[in-house]
Order: sequence, then C-alpha cells, then structure tokens
Amino acid sequence: DQQVKQNSPSLSVQEGRISILNCDYTNSMFDYFLWYKKYPAEGPTFLISISSIKDKNEDGRFTVFLNKSAKHLSLHIVPSQPGDSAVYFCAASAFTDSWGKLQFGAGTQVVVTP
Amino acid sequence: NAGVMQNPRHLVRRRGQEARLRCSPMKGHSHVYWYRQLPEEGLKFMVYLQKENIIDESGMPKERFSAEFPKEGPSILRIQQVVRGDSAAYFCASSPGGTGESYEQYFGPGTRLTVT
Repeated sequence: DQQVKQNSPSLSVQEGRISILNCDYTNSMFDYFLWYKKYPAEGPTFLISISSIKDKNEDGRFTVFLNKSAKHLSLHIVPSQPGDSAVYFCAASAFTDSWGKLQFGAGTQVVVTP
Repeated sequence: NAGVMQNPRHLVRRRGQEARLRCSPMKGHSHVYWYRQLPEEGLKFMVYLQKENIIDESGMPKERFSAEFPKEGPSILRIQQVVRGDSAAYFCASSPGGTGESYEQYFGPGTRLTVT
C-alpha cells in the first residue's frame, strides 16, 4: 500500500535552471511532509519540511509547496547545481499514526548537467 | 548525517546466522527509528523506539526480527536466522522528540547487509 508516490523516477536539468520534483499522497491524515536527499552509499539528508497548516516553506534554494486539496507537494530547487545530483525522497507522517513513522516515496533521481 | 552513528557499515552473513546492527542517536535525541531499503526501492519503516520502549513496530516482520533501545548504549536491530531476502541497506534515524521538529529525523550512513 504505497501512500506516498513519486511518479517520476528520474529528472535531468541544466545547471542554473529550476528543478521541480513532485510527490502525491493518498492518506488525508498526513500532516507533516519532508524532503530528503540521498547520495549513493550514504544515509538520507534532511532538506526541508512543511506542516499541513502551511502551503509554502522556503529555505535558501529550496522551496516546498503543498496543495492539500490535490494531495500534492512539490520541491523546487533554484538554481540547480551539480552537487544537487542525487536521489530525492518525499516523506510524510501522520500525528495520529505514531508521529515518527515516516512513509517514503520511491525517490526521483536528479541529474544536473553542465 | 555525521551525528547518527551506525556500525558496522557493511555486514556479511551466511544464511542461518544472526545479524546485529547498532545505532547511536544524535546527542540529545531520545527517539530512534529503523528503516530498510531494498534495491531500487524507497525506505520502509520498520520500528520506532524510545529509551526502553517500543512505540511502533508495525513495519517489523513478525518473525526473526527484534529491536531494542536500552537505557544505556546503542539501539540494536537483531535479525535471527538470516535469509537472502534480508539483504538490504538498514538505516537508523533519530529525532529529539516532542512536537513539530520531532518529525525531522536525521539519518545515519546505514548498514549494508549481505546474506550469502
């Protein structure tokens, strides 16, 4: 039962341009959403999060948008840099489901080209 | 990432042996989580622990798998009688607990288990 879905397995973007990663979810009880970046043979690194009471959160080059009615969130990276090449995971959590249980999407491989 | 320690980083076990994976949370964190990542898949939740308590083990296989987070020392994920299907990367994460930022979990580098 995949409650968090990342339908694009890969994304190629030119250096300096915007990367847009998408994530859909099915569980309306999710109230906190997170994005992680992962390099090969390393653990995921926390990037940015958003509570369900907000529709946007920004941190430097990273902005996350949440559309609750559509059960959709997106991560924007501007400008994209070569070091952003990694796998990006969307994750969600529900306060009613033992806070800490993160449900992850399958990930999107981002490649930033020169 | 550097704050959460996991060891060993790589573990090779023959079928039927036991695997013990260790996790030391970030300083000041009292909540520990274990996740498993199979090849070409996302991370799957296994278990959520606080000191001396299992809060949620809904993602743990019913047999052969157990986890603990004792009052002193690291959290341990134990897999008894390993099978080839247990080969995966096992990640530990920690968080400070409380509300709001408690959702932000910080991950260790993982233990890559290979069962031969």
